[in-house]
Amino acid sequence: QVQLQESGPRLVKPPETLSLTCSVSGGSINNYRWTWIRQPPGKGLEWIGYIYFTGSTNYNPSLQSRVTISVDTSKNQFSLKLTSVTAADTAIYYCARVGQLVEFDPWGQGTLVTVSS
Amino acid sequence: QSALTQPASVSGSPGQSITISCTGTSNDVGGYNFVSWYQQHPGEAPKLIIYDVSARPSGVSTRFSGSRSDNTASLTISGLQAEDEADYYCCSYTSSSTWLFGGGTTLTVL
Repeated sequence: QVQLQESGPRLVKPPETLSLTCSVSGGSINNYRWTWIRQPPGKGLEWIGYIYFTGSTNYNPSLQSRVTISVDTSKNQFSLKLTSVTAADTAIYYCARVGQLVEFDPWGQGTLVTVSS
Repeated sequence: QSALTQPASVSGSPGQSITISCTGTSNDVGGYNFVSWYQQHPGEAPKLIIYDVSARPSGVSTRFSGSRSDNTASLTISGLQAEDEADYYCCSYTSSSTWLFGGGTTLTVL
């Protein structure tokens, strides 16, 4: 079965760039959309954006100016970059697969990224 | 884009049924069948429990059911069990090809 694993720095200084990678195992990254979702500590879920295996993307309008999602099909990975981070970007970042009926399943275990100087 | 509206908390006793509402607009909840629900226990990643408004993934208990009327989707949990105590989030695809989550509902089993 497909499994996802987030990786990347856990501490980022403002106003640097947050970079995370999601590695997909147990299945191909092809023929699906893949997404990033975040959750500030103690708060709700926020959709960040998605990428299709072909490279087409769409982002949350509130983050669009700072977000880039890319895909590397040869490595079965996709990545998130969020620029000019502030403390408000401190959150657990999850990657997930977008199913045929646009549901999010499965999810990675999530990784807490803290933005602090 | 504003988050979908969910009650902050609901509660029920073991064996009872509860319903969590999720209100959006005709540009999201009311416009597509692409409404999903996620269960999140403390310290864990969210888990898909309902998709396509009312479909259940394999392995999810039949005690979980989903429905929709106009711009409001609902999640019903019947025969409440202690293990159902968790946060629940609705999510909808939108006319902008984006997704919106609800603010989340904390379920307490009394």
